[in-house]
Amino acid sequence: DTGVSQDPRHKITKRGQNVTFRCDPISEHNRLYWYRQTLGQGPEFLTYFQNEAQLEKSRLLSDRFSAERPKGSFSTLEIQRTEQGDSAMYLCASTRDTSYEQYFGPGTRLTVT
Amino acid sequence: DQQVKQNSPSLSVQEGRISILNCDYTNSMFDYFLWYKKYPAEGPTFLISISSIKDKNEDGRFTVFLNKSAKHLSLHIVPSQPGDSAVYFCAASFGGSQGNLIFGKGTKLSVKP
Repeated sequence: DTGVSQDPRHKITKRGQNVTFRCDPISEHNRLYWYRQTLGQGPEFLTYFQNEAQLEKSRLLSDRFSAERPKGSFSTLEIQRTEQGDSAMYLCASTRDTSYEQYFGPGTRLTVT
Repeated sequence: DQQVKQNSPSLSVQEGRISILNCDYTNSMFDYFLWYKKYPAEGPTFLISISSIKDKNEDGRFTVFLNKSAKHLSLHIVPSQPGDSAVYFCAASFGGSQGNLIFGKGTKLSVKP
């Protein structure tokens, strides 16, 4: 069990640029979640996948955000035309669909300057 | 409207004593509750969970109590150790086909030697 991995761990970008993050879940987990965490807050749900199907999106996920999980394994989260308000920790978690416990990766810290 | 509330931003406890972290929720439809621990620059780590049909779950030094009538749960750590110093998040889930977690804002626990 290698755990959930995320890449990159840190990303600094200028406002208006596009960024893409990757998440590799625990191999036998078919559910994958993306969350965002800002300072002083708990993680907030963005979207989730059951295998390759994106089944739910939060209203936090504006149309500048897109997520994919093309083969039901790794997932990518892209933010287009970044804004300073996008600065946050982006967390990925995975689980089996028979389980409530989600296992988180280390996160990608995004700073938009 | 925050559905999961952790009203104490911080808690300081002496090593060896009991730490009690509290969490309140507003939605009676939640059917599963979890506690996560988070160190700086890391993702949340699953600690312990409880189903809504139970009122207590124990795992080593960690015990979670659920009072459904009061919509309140608590995490007890006995005895507290300096390595327990971290931010603790309470989370709740509706379960079913979605299963995303709704987090509180966290409580920072400091265990002093």
